[in-house]
Amino acid sequence: NAGVTQTPKFQVLKTGQSMTLQCAQDMNHEYMSWYRQDPGMGLRLIHYSVGAGITDQGEVPNGYNVSRSTTEDFPLRLLSAAPSQTSVYFCASSYSQGQGGGYTFGSGTRLTVV
Amino acid sequence: GESVGLHLPTLSVQEGDNSIINCAYSNSASDYFIWYKQESGKGPQFIIDIRSNMDKRQGQRVTVLLNKTVKHLSLQIAATQPGDSAVYFCAETRPAQKLVFGQGTRLTINP
Repeated sequence: NAGVTQTPKFQVLKTGQSMTLQCAQDMNHEYMSWYRQDPGMGLRLIHYSVGAGITDQGEVPNGYNVSRSTTEDFPLRLLSAAPSQTSVYFCASSYSQGQGGGYTFGSGTRLTVV
Repeated sequence: GESVGLHLPTLSVQEGDNSIINCAYSNSASDYFIWYKQESGKGPQFIIDIRSNMDKRQGQRVTVLLNKTVKHLSLQIAATQPGDSAVYFCAETRPAQKLVFGQGTRLTINP
């Protein structure tokens, strides 16, 4: 089925480790974003991309890197994991700018940093 | 900073009743306002959106109202069903396709 695929679904890291959260979409969407969701809070934007080769920071970018070498993929890298990065991470994509219902979300990656 | 916020964190309604979930926003430059439904362990699911130049939009069992004068957004769910139990988020789109979320309201359906 078409959509946004995130891997892994669950991950436990030790403080200081690095890892990459994968996100892929097969809808030919130009816009892709990463969000984190902490308990009792809404989703906060980490990084976003408006097309291949173009990325920018969101509300909470510190400790995360992204790249967009293809339209389909938008990986999120944790450089040196910290307990404060324990959260659920969602990737989303959208087909055009300024649209409302065009965002499609993945099912999330639940990350625990110990 | 500017934010999209919600009035109440929880809402309980009887099955079959209508539900109204409210949201306040502070950014007048948003293009769209959107309601998402999030079930446990899943990503947000689009319910309905409304463009900033509209006052009302209806979908299947849902209606979104936008009051720009008081910067207020509401989601009305008609004849609430057990499957409507979830957390509901309002969100808005800003320039460069940034999507900003509110905190969320947990809707519980009583049998």
